[in-house]
Amino acid sequence: SAVISQKPSRDICQRGTSLTIQCQVDSQVTMMFWYRQQPGQSLTLIATANQGSEATYESGFVIDKFPISRPNLTFSTLTVSNMSPEDSSIYLCSVRGSETQYFGPGTRLLVL
Amino acid sequence: SQKIEQNSEALNIQEGKTATLTCNYTNYSPAYLQWYRQDPGRGPVFLLLIRENEKEKRKERLKVTFDTTLKQSLFHITASQPADSATYLCALDGTSNTGKLIFGQGTTLQVKP
Repeated sequence: SAVISQKPSRDICQRGTSLTIQCQVDSQVTMMFWYRQQPGQSLTLIATANQGSEATYESGFVIDKFPISRPNLTFSTLTVSNMSPEDSSIYLCSVRGSETQYFGPGTRLLVL
Repeated sequence: SQKIEQNSEALNIQEGKTATLTCNYTNYSPAYLQWYRQDPGRGPVFLLLIRENEKEKRKERLKVTFDTTLKQSLFHITASQPADSATYLCALDGTSNTGKLIFGQGTTLQVKP
């Protein structure tokens, strides 16, 4: 199994600012995934982060808005840039296990 | 278009009864389908995986069926308890073996004592 922690757990931010979310895993993993869960919605994959290469973004998500770092096999960051109220959401970090997927507790973001 | 649909209305049942949740999908050919539980303010927690060549899978009070002809999975909780109250998400692999999961919107289950 994998234990995932995220920081911060929640934040309230002003429009136009940026927030960086950290994800730490207790074991080395090749791929880390970032998901967004908007209020009342299901999880939507933002991007896949591989160590040593650029992240792969899903349709509708771009690097300028959601830059990702993956400096080593246990850590990743997601930045939400130039935030607007539409970015208010829960952001979740995830890693793949054997026949399962593990999720962090999420970062609850409110943009005013 | 590709869709994964779960009952959007909350499911309310009495303690001890069997809860049945539905997941339907269109225009996918998943190798497997997964079910997760999500409590408020927490990330999803994996429950069960069922492969395309499996009809049924069980784990304690949980049972999952997978009908690739109907493109449907059913998730059953027998002898339900108030502690089973949560949102249950189904997910499938949108692209084989990449770890990229596509999620349904979830069904909220409320078990009343």
